[in-house]
Amino acid sequence: AQSVAQPEDQVNVAEGNPLTVKCTYSVSGNPYLFWYVQYPNRGLQFLLKYITGDNLVKGSYGFEAEFNKSQTSFHLKKPSALVSDSALYFCAVRGFYSNSGYALNFGKGTSLLVTP
Amino acid sequence: GAVVSQHPSRVICKSGTSVKIECRSLDFQATTMFWYRQFPKQSLMLMATSNEGSKATYEQGVEKDKFLINHASLTLSTLTVTSAHPEDSSFYICSARDRDEAQETQYFGPGTRLLVL
Repeated sequence: AQSVAQPEDQVNVAEGNPLTVKCTYSVSGNPYLFWYVQYPNRGLQFLLKYITGDNLVKGSYGFEAEFNKSQTSFHLKKPSALVSDSALYFCAVRGFYSNSGYALNFGKGTSLLVTP
Repeated sequence: GAVVSQHPSRVICKSGTSVKIECRSLDFQATTMFWYRQFPKQSLMLMATSNEGSKATYEQGVEKDKFLINHASLTLSTLTVTSAHPEDSSFYICSARDRDEAQETQYFGPGTRLLVL
């Protein structure tokens, strides 16, 4: 099955420091990988995706992610964290095709807390 | 970017009643919409996939007679929780895929908080 794992329940970082939120994947074939962010009581907002091409993907709000095939990882990064980045982050992978198309399989989520 | 809305944002109902949640794609046409359920501090669990003009496809363990999904147009899908019980209390999130975009990106609604008393 196409799946992702987020090994950290929570990541704490001081404002201005670089942040990394980890994600590893397990897929058959080429992975289609995504990062979404969720603020309290809100839906998910798309940050970025990797389909093919450059291993470093740039997304919204200054976030980027690096696709590493040898380590089967797709870690989310930002050079300088902001307090407003505090939220729940989900890694996702495109699932298998069904009659309805592709669904997304999500990781359990990582809570990011950026302190002033 | 593409916008998906949900209505209502929050609903409280009595046990045994039915609740309808609407999901709309505001500036694009969505042939496929997805319904997810999220428990506190947990990930999203796909409940069903709905295609415009056809029956929804339900994930294993999801009762199709309890969670009725209708995708009547390219911009609207509805989820009806029938005979709701307290264990149905949850955060329900829909997403939609733009018909004119590559099939990978889903756009999510803001979610509906359901509380069944």
